[in-house]
Amino acid sequence: SAVISQKPSRDICQRGTSLTIQCQVDSQVTMMFWYRQQPGQSLTLIATANQGSEATYESGFVIDKFPISRPNLTFSTLTVSNMSPEDSSIYLCSVVNSYEQYFGPGTRLTVT
Amino acid sequence: ILNVEQSPQSLHVQEGDSTNFTCSFPSSNFYALHWYRWETAKSPEALFVMTLNGDEKKKGRISATLNTKEGYSYLYIKGSQPEDSATYLCAFPPSNFGNEKLTFGTGTRLTIIP
Repeated sequence: SAVISQKPSRDICQRGTSLTIQCQVDSQVTMMFWYRQQPGQSLTLIATANQGSEATYESGFVIDKFPISRPNLTFSTLTVSNMSPEDSSIYLCSVVNSYEQYFGPGTRLTVT
Repeated sequence: ILNVEQSPQSLHVQEGDSTNFTCSFPSSNFYALHWYRWETAKSPEALFVMTLNGDEKKKGRISATLNTKEGYSYLYIKGSQPEDSATYLCAFPPSNFGNEKLTFGTGTRLTIIP
């Protein structure tokens, strides 16, 4: 299994600002992912965080808006840049370990 | 883009009653189906991974069935309890090679009324 923690658990931010979300895993994992769930929508994959190289973004998501770091096999950050109210979502970190996918508890972001 | 639909979107059930809800998906290019339970402020928790047509899985009072030919899965909860209140998500991997990069449905939000 894998135990994942995220910081912060929630935040309220003003539009135009940026927020960095941290994801810590209790074991080394190869694959880490960032998802978001906007209100009323499904969980959607933003990007795959690659250790030692740039993240791989899904269609509709770009590095300038969601820069990701992955300095080692247990840690990653997602920054939501230049926020607008449309970025209000739950952001989830996820890892694959032994072919199972595990999720963090999420960061609930509200942009005013 | 995989079109995954879950119904109903939300459901209120009296404690002690049984309930079920549906995940519908395209029957072509099916590899596996995952069911997750997501309680507020907690991590989504994996319930079942189903791969074969006709699969039935059970975990306590929760069970699931899979029909890959017609493209649906049912999740059943018997004798609902307040702790069953959560959003139930189905999800699909893009290939047969792993469980990453899942495509999720919008979920069914279940509320158990004491």
